[in-house]
Amino acid sequence: QVQLQESGPGLVEPSQTLSLTCTVSGDSISTDTYYWSWIRQPAGKGLEWIGRIYASGSTNYNPSLKSRVTMSLDTSRNQFSLNLHSVTAADTAVYYCAREREVPAALSVYFDLWGRGTLVTVSS
Amino acid sequence: SYELTQPPSVSVYPGQTARITCSADALPKQYAYWYQQKPGQAPVLVIYKDSERPSGIPERFSGSSSGTTVTLTISGVQAEDEGDYYCQSADSSGTYVLFGGGTKLTAL
Repeated sequence: QVQLQESGPGLVEPSQTLSLTCTVSGDSISTDTYYWSWIRQPAGKGLEWIGRIYASGSTNYNPSLKSRVTMSLDTSRNQFSLNLHSVTAADTAVYYCAREREVPAALSVYFDLWGRGTLVTVSS
Repeated sequence: SYELTQPPSVSVYPGQTARITCSADALPKQYAYWYQQKPGQAPVLVIYKDSERPSGIPERFSGSSSGTTVTLTISGVQAEDEGDYYCQSADSSGTYVLFGGGTKLTAL
């Protein structure tokens, strides 16, 4: 059974970097079958896609966050990571990692498996 | 870019049919996906490719598409179906993911 688990600090100071890791068990992140994404959700609000990383290490980021986001892979640990720089209180949210699938020939993607999420609070 | 618009809330009595819409304000038409989220839990995929149902999702969940509007239908709503529902799609290249604002389903 494939599982995703987020980990990282629950509290980050303003202007610092938010760093989270997603550990994937039961599947290899090196496969080309899936992509690996981060999604966040402020309390009481909707979902916001942050970006994805492919097995090759290539990335796509939400244009609204692109200037502050970097993602990376650690295939030896079967993990992928998110760094969000220069955070403010507006970045306080539950952060989810998710497995993403593409619909062949349709240029369409969706999320078939999610981690349980981790709350990150930006505060001094 | 375009946006996905959902009604903030839908309320029905148990046993009735709930319909939640998701409208794109512009083309192109992409497949839509629906997720159910219960309080304190991660979203769960309930419909993919407009109308396909993943294994393990009850048959009362169905999806349809017409023009630039997709609809999630829950026939015979049960109390356990309460939660937030999000539609999701992508831009024409499939690169950038979009979510609707979410709809809170209440079983009266």
